[in-house]
Amino acid sequence: NAGVTQTPKFRILKIGQSMTLQCAQDMNHNYMYWYRQDPGMGLKLIYYSVGAGITDKGEVPNGYNVSRSTTEDFPLRLELAAPSQTSVYFCASSVRDRGSEAFFGQGTRLTVV
Amino acid sequence: ELKVEQNPLFLSMQEGKNYTIYCNYSTTSDRLYWYRQDPGKSLESLFVLLSNGAVKQEGRLMASLDTKARLSTLHITAAVHDLSATYFCAVTIQGGSEKLVFGKGTKLTVNP
Repeated sequence: NAGVTQTPKFRILKIGQSMTLQCAQDMNHNYMYWYRQDPGMGLKLIYYSVGAGITDKGEVPNGYNVSRSTTEDFPLRLELAAPSQTSVYFCASSVRDRGSEAFFGQGTRLTVV
Repeated sequence: ELKVEQNPLFLSMQEGKNYTIYCNYSTTSDRLYWYRQDPGKSLESLFVLLSNGAVKQEGRLMASLDTKARLSTLHITAAVHDLSATYFCAVTIQGGSEKLVFGKGTKLTVNP
């Protein structure tokens, strides 16, 4: 199994540009999450989804948008990139089972200059 | 709003010593997780704790949960250099959304 796959791994954006971070999972998980991790810091929840067509805001949603048209994919859209969005972005997924942990992708390192 | 606090945020230990990392959370939780992150890497699941009094052990790490105190501990026994990493706890709200909220992490350095 591939697990949770994020693309790209690295990206440099100019201020004002837009991009989509891709996240796909092949484990048929209901729940998917997007986090950002600033250097030396913990993870902050941006958006999450409990199933296809259902998304909700996390702690830091401003400047981002998501969609969940399929169970497998949960893309994160950055509109009008700003330097404050320089971070490492992690996607995670989990199944509707109290005993199951969330599985994380390898991360996307984004720099906005 | 669910808040998760870890302490200490930084921990420097000598090999062979024992220590405990604490994780406090602000509202009744459905479950609690511990994760490990190596520098520049993704997060690796260590433990899932579901009920009051739950205790899980893997090697030199033991995690416990006290839901009444809203407290989880990660105990390190006879630390070795390979345990150097950042450790995160994460919590979901009981009966609520599936929002998974992380603490700020504890950066552990084990010195020879």
